[in-house]
Amino acid sequence: GEDVEQSLFLSVREGDSSVINCTYTDSSSTYLYWYKQEPGAGLQLLTYIFSNMDMKQDQRLTVLLNKKDKHLSLRIADTQTGDSAIYFCAESHSSNTGKLIFGQGTTLQVKP
Amino acid sequence: DAGVIQSPRHEVTEMGQEVTLRCKPISGHNSLFWYRQTMMRGLELLIYFNNNVPIDDSGMPEDRFSAKMPNASFSTLKIQPSEPRDSAVYFCASSFGGPSYNEQFFGPGTRLTVL
Repeated sequence: GEDVEQSLFLSVREGDSSVINCTYTDSSSTYLYWYKQEPGAGLQLLTYIFSNMDMKQDQRLTVLLNKKDKHLSLRIADTQTGDSAIYFCAESHSSNTGKLIFGQGTTLQVKP
Repeated sequence: DAGVIQSPRHEVTEMGQEVTLRCKPISGHNSLFWYRQTMMRGLELLIYFNNNVPIDDSGMPEDRFSAKMPNASFSTLKIQPSEPRDSAVYFCASSFGGPSYNEQFFGPGTRLTVL
């Protein structure tokens, strides 16, 4: 079945780059997503990548996709304390009903 | 659009009581999802609907949990009777269900505490 795996915790210093990694199993996923959850709030889409792309850049965010290894990463440049949150990787479920398979979430801690 | 609306935002109840959580999805979305989030278990999908029809309820913990979607603009998640281990944040999300881009929009959540 479909499964998405992430490391649970990452700690970086303010100004450094953060890299959050994710592996997934369904090679037919058309889109892969990164969600951000700030304390006390729901998940919010941060960025996404279409499966025929290797890389997508959006300001401080860079998403890298390695389809061969089914590996997705999110790089945050110049990490700020406001980036402290839980980051979820997700892939589309094969049912085509809008269901997403979420990873466990990576808690990013940014130290000043 | 106001986004996904959930009520109540906070609920404190005693063990054995019935709890009803409510969700209004974004207008035009045809898929609705109920999730539960705890420190121990992370984010769990409980049940989801497509065009108001329950598609997969395999994540519902047990018979004490039930969910309905009587129309495209309203869904409820009911717990009867509630137990302390049901304490969690419950999220509702909606999306345009389909084979392509499927961004889910999450509500703010209902924080449930069962004493």
